[in-house]
Amino acid sequence: NAGVTQTPKFRILKIGQSMTLQCAQDMNHNYMYWYRQDPGMGLKLIYYSVGAGITDKGEVPNGYNVSRSTTEDFPLRLELAAPSQTSVYFCASSTRDRLPHTEAFFGQGTRLTVV
Amino acid sequence: AQTVTQSQPEMSVQEAETVTLSCTYDTSESDYYLFWYKQPPSRQMILVIRQEAYKQQNATENRFSVNFQKAAKSFSLKISDSQLGDAAMYFCAYLGGIQGAQKLVFGQGTRLTINP
Repeated sequence: NAGVTQTPKFRILKIGQSMTLQCAQDMNHNYMYWYRQDPGMGLKLIYYSVGAGITDKGEVPNGYNVSRSTTEDFPLRLELAAPSQTSVYFCASSTRDRLPHTEAFFGQGTRLTVV
Repeated sequence: AQTVTQSQPEMSVQEAETVTLSCTYDTSESDYYLFWYKQPPSRQMILVIRQEAYKQQNATENRFSVNFQKAAKSFSLKISDSQLGDAAMYFCAYLGGIQGAQKLVFGQGTRLTINP
């Protein structure tokens, strides 16, 4: 199994540009999450989804949008990139179907720089 | 809303000694999960240990154990016989239960240094 796959691994954007961070999981997990991690800091939840067609805001949703048209994919859209969005972005997925062995699986992260 | 607090930004320990990392959380749910994740410089997130809230027994995984105090909403991680490979950022995380918000929320992290 590939687990959680994020693309791209690195990206440099100019201020005002837009881009989509891709996230795909092949574990048939219901729950998917997007986080950002600023240098030396913890993970802040941007958006999450409890299933296809259902998404909700986390702590820091401003400047981002998500969609969940399939169980496997959970793309994160940045519109009008700003320097404050320079960060490392992580996608994660989890399920309660393996209780009590629930855990979250993470992608390798995307390092985004906005200049 | 659920919150997770790690009050120790940095900790250090001598190799082979024991260290305890603190975590507190706030929730109104009765059914939830707690985790400790390790993040080495590679940025990979590695599950260290998990605890189900309905279980009174503290979880253990080899040199790693937790002290779960549900009433106090405290979830500390004890690392015994510390090794150089344990050096990393450690994150405490909360996952809401079936009846709850079902969000996975992280603390701010504790950077652990192992002194040889």
